Formats: sequence, structure tokens, C-alpha cells
Amino acid sequence: AQRVTQPEKLLSVFKGAPVELKCNYSYSGSPELFWYVQYSRQRLQLLLRHISRESIKGFTADLNKGETSFHLKKPFAQEEDSAMYYCALMPGAGSYQLTFGKGTKLSVIP
Amino acid sequence: DAGVTQSPTHLIKTRGQQVTLRCSPKSGHDTVSWYQQALGQGPQFIFQYYEEEERQRGNFPDRFSGHQFPNYSSELNVNALLLGDSALYLCASSFLPGQGYEQYFGPGTRLTVT
Repeated sequence: AQRVTQPEKLLSVFKGAPVELKCNYSYSGSPELFWYVQYSRQRLQLLLRHISRESIKGFTADLNKGETSFHLKKPFAQEEDSAMYYCALMPGAGSYQLTFGKGTKLSVIP
Repeated sequence: DAGVTQSPTHLIKTRGQQVTLRCSPKSGHDTVSWYQQALGQGPQFIFQYYEEEERQRGNFPDRFSGHQFPNYSSELNVNALLLGDSALYLCASSFLPGQGYEQYFGPGTRLTVT
């Protein structure tokens, strides 16, 4: 069975400081990893996925298969980054359900 | 395109009752997945429907059942409600159930069981 762990429930950083939201996963195969974000009073939406290797809103995430991690990073936090962030895993190979972590609430202090 | 829509927005039921939640997928999407999100938790997969059939199921009891209609909309039914069923129920749609297809989420239905 797959599992996603986000060790921080809440992360507070000052505006302009670097941000790193941690995500570790356990799965024996080669899953697809995602970061979803939920801004206040908005629906859950995809932020980025590891296969696209793109930077969205200044965020990047690198899949480290050795450490089974998929940490989300941004060099300079902005106030509009304050939101709930969820790391998610899709096993693939016939199984397309998303398994989510419990989420990390990011608060950017002006 | 309104994206994924869900109804109702909020619902209050009594323990032992039955409830039906509805979801309309984003235009062009044919696959619907349902998730349960308890307070302080991440969404948990219930099941996925494609071509009007349940294709995958998470670790939920048979009290949770669903249906997909020819227009791709979907219903989630929960029988014999328990207090622990109180949660936000999310619907997500995608084009095909496969890897590589982004799931778009609806706003959710907040179910309270008293």
C-alpha cells in the first residue's frame, strides 16, 4: 500500500524567505507525484507534477527516488503563497487513485 | 465552463439515514473520482467511475456506493450513516482514468451527521 507523509502541519515563513514543504512517500513501484494547493475559499487545484518538471508560481519540486521524497521549494515566499498544500501520489500501472498526505498549511508573514 | 460542480453544498443528516451526493464533471471529462476529506486530513479515495462502471475502490465499506450516468455525471450514496461519515466529500473529474491525466476537483459537499 502507498503512503504519503507531510511532517509539518503548519509552516510559517517571512515574506522573501525561502520555503520548503516536505513530502515523503512509500511505494514500491514508480509512482507519479503531485503537489495540490488550496487557497482560502477556493477548491483544490493542481500546482505541479513531477513528470512535467516545470516551475509554477515560482515553485519547483524534485523527485528523489533514493530518499523517496518530493519536497516543494520556492526561493522567495510571497504573501499570496499562503495556502494549504497537499502532496499526492498516483501509483499508475492500472491504479489511478490519488493518495494524499495530511497537508501543510503555509503562512507567509508580511 | 463552470468546471466540476457538486450539489448540495451542505447537508445535515441523522445517524442511520441515507444520503445522495451529486457531481457533474468538467466539460470533456469522462472519469469521476470521489474522495472523503475529514477535518484536518487529506482527501481519501473512495472510488472511481469510468464508462459507467466502478473501476477502482478505496478502503471504504459497502455502505458507500456510486453510479455514473451516460452523460458522465455521478452520484455517491451512503447508507446507514454514522457520525464518522461527517466530512467534506470531493468529486474530481479527468479525461480517462489513466496516468498523466489531471484530476480537477469540485468545491465539495459538506456532510454533517448528527
